[in-house]
Amino acid sequence: DGGITQSPKYLFRKEGQNVTLSCEQNLNHDAMYWYRQDPGQGLRLIYYSQIVNDFQKGDIAEGYSVSREKKESFPLTVTSAQKNPTAFYLCASIPRLGASGNTIYFGEGSWLTVV
Amino acid sequence: AQKITQTQPGMFVQEKEAVTLDCTYDTSDPSYGLFWYKQPSSGEMIFLIYQGSYDQQNATEGRYSLNFQKARKSANLVISASQLGDSAMYFCAMSTGGTSYGKLTFGQGTILTVHP
Repeated sequence: DGGITQSPKYLFRKEGQNVTLSCEQNLNHDAMYWYRQDPGQGLRLIYYSQIVNDFQKGDIAEGYSVSREKKESFPLTVTSAQKNPTAFYLCASIPRLGASGNTIYFGEGSWLTVV
Repeated sequence: AQKITQTQPGMFVQEKEAVTLDCTYDTSDPSYGLFWYKQPSSGEMIFLIYQGSYDQQNATEGRYSLNFQKARKSANLVISASQLGDSAMYFCAMSTGGTSYGKLTFGQGTILTVHP
């Protein structure tokens, strides 16, 4: 079945370490997104990408990095520069930009905890 | 800049009654889309309804309807005949064109609790 796969589901990181969260979609979607969600809070946009080899910073990009080498993949690296990385991370995609009746597809999320 | 505001941190409703969750938005782009999502405690995001800025009719999907008032820049979600399973966090979101083409912005969410 088509969808968005995020891995790992749960991840523990030691302070000072970089970690990479995987996001893969087999839906042939153009745009992909990374959001951060803190407990009881809304989704904040970290990075987004509309096409391969291009991405834009969202509202809270500091301490994060991304790449878009393939249409189906949009990994997020949480660097040691991110001071408070413990959160729930959601990856999302849209079939094609500007289309009416769009639906945002989400992965199941990744829980990152700093220990 | 685009912004979504959900002013109700929490809402309570009796089972079988209707409830309205508020959402206001701000954008200078004439072309935009508005979404509502439900997030249960499991964390998954469940699509509920979509409204395009040029759609003439208010969107409806089963028990969900979107009260779209373009002049007021509001896109309230109406849930009719609430069920216990409707208890969850609800998010309003917006996508726009223009200089923020492709960017998706979410509101802070509203926690809905349905009482038996």
